[in-house]
Amino acid sequence: EAQVTQNPRYLITVTGKKLTVTCSQNMNHEYMSWYRQDPGLGLRQIYYSMNVEVTDKGDVPEGYKVSRKEKRNFPLILESPSPNQTSLYFCASSLKINREIFFGPGTRLTVT
Amino acid sequence: DAKTTQPTSMDCAEGRAANLPCNHSTISGNEYVYWYRQIHSQGPQYIIHGLKNNETNEMASLIITEDRKSSTLILPHATLRDTAVYYCIGAGNTGANSKLTFGKGITLSVRP
Repeated sequence: EAQVTQNPRYLITVTGKKLTVTCSQNMNHEYMSWYRQDPGLGLRQIYYSMNVEVTDKGDVPEGYKVSRKEKRNFPLILESPSPNQTSLYFCASSLKINREIFFGPGTRLTVT
Repeated sequence: DAKTTQPTSMDCAEGRAANLPCNHSTISGNEYVYWYRQIHSQGPQYIIHGLKNNETNEMASLIITEDRKSSTLILPHATLRDTAVYYCIGAGNTGANSKLTFGKGITLSVRP
């Protein structure tokens, strides 16, 4: 089944403890991206990647890192999480930019 | 800058057609109109997109006015499972105008 998977789905952590949210897609998509969703602010893009080893900042990249070493994986790294990064995170992929975008199920992160 | 405006909410009866309007008077000639929906904190789901011709797929129809200043997403036979937030987005396929910006969307409530 064609899908985008994210892990973990739920995470509660403490300020400053490094964490990684994994994202994987099985559709051989070139384009992948990360969004966060907060009440009243909608979906905002954090980072995106046009292809392997090609990444760029979205609208809210501060406090996040990404890497794209393989086509299928696009992990989101929070080196030193802070409470303002408490949010619902979505990974997404598409064959090309702005073709049909597939979203993952979301990761609900709480930083205390 | 918001490229599209949508009403905040609407409802329709189950089994009837749901017609969701969107204004996009400022999108440029090479920008598509995309529709996504999000069912209660799940990952957004692609519905349909178009440039200037009307489009139809298994989920919905998209009617774009000749002047491209507005469009309507039609769900021909709404079901309770169509209750969701629907996002109308204007974006191109290349360059600076290719980013999908999710606004607040329109909340569709399908009533029994």
